[in-house]
Amino acid sequence: SQTIHQWPATLVQPVGSPLSLECTVEGTSNPNLYWYRQAAGRGLQLLFYSVGIGQISSEVPQNLSASRPQDRQFILSSKKLLLSDSGFYLCAWSGTDTQYFGPGTRLTVL
Amino acid sequence: KQEVTQIPAALSVPEGENLVLNCSFTDSAIYNLQWFRQDPGKGLTSLLLIQSSQREQTSGRLNASLDKSSGRSTLYIAASQPGDSATYLCAVTLSYNTDKLIFGTGTRLQVFP
Repeated sequence: SQTIHQWPATLVQPVGSPLSLECTVEGTSNPNLYWYRQAAGRGLQLLFYSVGIGQISSEVPQNLSASRPQDRQFILSSKKLLLSDSGFYLCAWSGTDTQYFGPGTRLTVL
Repeated sequence: KQEVTQIPAALSVPEGENLVLNCSFTDSAIYNLQWFRQDPGKGLTSLLLIQSSQREQTSGRLNASLDKSSGRSTLYIAASQPGDSATYLCAVTLSYNTDKLIFGTGTRLQVFP
């Protein structure tokens, strides 16, 4: 069966520090992968998606970047965090007709 | 641009009540519509998926309907239980870009004993 992992689960970082969130999927090959952000009181916003290794589509201009160095690994990064980067970050992979979500990372930027 | 809206934003009901959550979308060119559940601080779990050619789907006490022409979907929960307390999100997949989901802002449901 397929599983999706995210780490860390919780992160508190100072403004201006770098960020690296990791997502890995097991039990499937060549999945579409997605990064979402859920800010307090707001809906789920798609940040990036990838249809293959090295292929990244950015949905909104922002302070973040994504990379897909391996088929089942998706990384979300920032060189310098802003206060507005705080939120709940979810990774997902696309199965038949639906997406399957990881447990999420709660990021607080102080 | 597709926009998805959910009403109400929050709902608090006593156990046993039947309730309806609403979702509306602005572009009727959808491939499918899904309802998800999100527990606090957790990821999303898919509840029901309705293809654009379908009118409704049922799973246990949950029933979701779709009226594509009017841009509306409802999630009906029968005989609500405290364990149903969560945030419910609807999301649409566009017919011309099936790679992406567009989410509503969610309805936060609390069912009290």
